[in-house]
Amino acid sequence: SQQGEEDPQALSIQEGENATMNCSYKTSINNLQWYRQNSGRGLVHLILIRSNEREKHSGRLRVTLDTSKKSSSLLITASRAADTASYFCAPLEYGNKLVFGAGTILRVKS
Amino acid sequence: DTGVSQNPRHKITKRGQNVTFRCDPISEHNRLYWYRQTLGQGPEFLTYFQNEAQLEKSRLLSDRFSAERPKGSFSTLEIQRTEQGDSAMYLCASSSQTDRGFGYTFGSGTRLTVV
Repeated sequence: SQQGEEDPQALSIQEGENATMNCSYKTSINNLQWYRQNSGRGLVHLILIRSNEREKHSGRLRVTLDTSKKSSSLLITASRAADTASYFCAPLEYGNKLVFGAGTILRVKS
Repeated sequence: DTGVSQNPRHKITKRGQNVTFRCDPISEHNRLYWYRQTLGQGPEFLTYFQNEAQLEKSRLLSDRFSAERPKGSFSTLEIQRTEQGDSAMYLCASSSQTDRGFGYTFGSGTRLTVV
């Protein structure tokens, strides 16, 4: 199994601004998933993008996937203080389990 | 079904004691996963089940750790002879093998403190 590597490690923005987080991985995948974790809580699944998809939207979230570059990005538009959390990407190989990297810590200042 | 349930939420134990955690997955999910997370790190894979079969166990997992999923429903994770290094958040997640884009559902975790 492979893990995604998120970049940057930490991001601090003002409320209302957009936040972009990037993820890189190494081998072929079935899909790539993004999760959010609030401090001291479990992870919450945000969005899943399949290997044959290039872009996906869910509310204020936009995820892109470039399989040729083995990279993905998560864009949160019009950020809110409640978006403050850690964000993890998890590439999923066929028939395997999710392996998580260290994540990106997002802080949204009000 | 209210999601993945983990008990207890918190556990403080003395070094050398045994502890057991329980996870109740979403009933329709046939896959169940255990992860461990320490401060500032992402969740680290421990083991996973498909129905009652334990399909994979991390090489990082010592023999003091054992997990079961009798009858393919709830799962327990036992740590024997706990050490201070076992202090962490233990997360359980479940998924459907035939998932159509819903990912894993995580519980709120059990925070273990070994003193």
